[in-house]
Amino acid sequence: AQSVTQLDSHVSVSEGTPVLLRCNYSSSYSPSLFWYVQHPNKGLQLLLKYTSAATLVKGINGFEAEFKKSETSFHLTKPSAHMSDAAEYFCVVSDSGNNRLAFGKGNQVVVIP
Amino acid sequence: DTGVSQDPRHKITKRGQNVTFRCDPISEHNRLYWYRQTLGQGPEFLTYFQNEAQLEKSRLLSDRFSAERPKGSFSTLEIQRTEQGDSAMYLCASSGAGVSEQYFGPGTRLTVT
Repeated sequence: AQSVTQLDSHVSVSEGTPVLLRCNYSSSYSPSLFWYVQHPNKGLQLLLKYTSAATLVKGINGFEAEFKKSETSFHLTKPSAHMSDAAEYFCVVSDSGNNRLAFGKGNQVVVIP
Repeated sequence: DTGVSQDPRHKITKRGQNVTFRCDPISEHNRLYWYRQTLGQGPEFLTYFQNEAQLEKSRLLSDRFSAERPKGSFSTLEIQRTEQGDSAMYLCASSGAGVSEQYFGPGTRLTVT
């Protein structure tokens, strides 16, 4: 069964410093991996996705993630945090041939001015 | 592209009452999904449709939950005899044929008193 593990349920970063959110996945098949962001009182927004093309994936708002099969990881990074990055971030996996998305528990990111 | 819409955005009901939620997917998307999100957790998959066919419903939480998509366009999720444990955010998502990413609506927040 597919699943993801997100450590550090709460992450505090200072504005202008790098953001790193860690994600490890478990999947029986060749997975598709995603990061979604959820701002307060807003819907889930797709940040980026990996679907077996380039292992370094660039997304919106300066975020990127690297797929590492040997480590079963898909960590999300951003070089410089902005106040508007304060939100909850979910790592998500979907097995190929399977339309279910399996979400991690999320990382609540706080940006300190 | 007007995005995925859900109605109502908020619903307060008394225990034992039936509730029905509506989802309108992005117009060209043939796949529609329902998820439930409880406080502090990531969304969990409930069921999905391809056109009007419900292809997976094993994850519906109990036989009190049912979903329909009669004409392959909008969908409804019904909960009968609501319980306090049903209080959650109910999310709808849609996707096009052959693509893995799903686009989410703003959700319906259900409170059962």
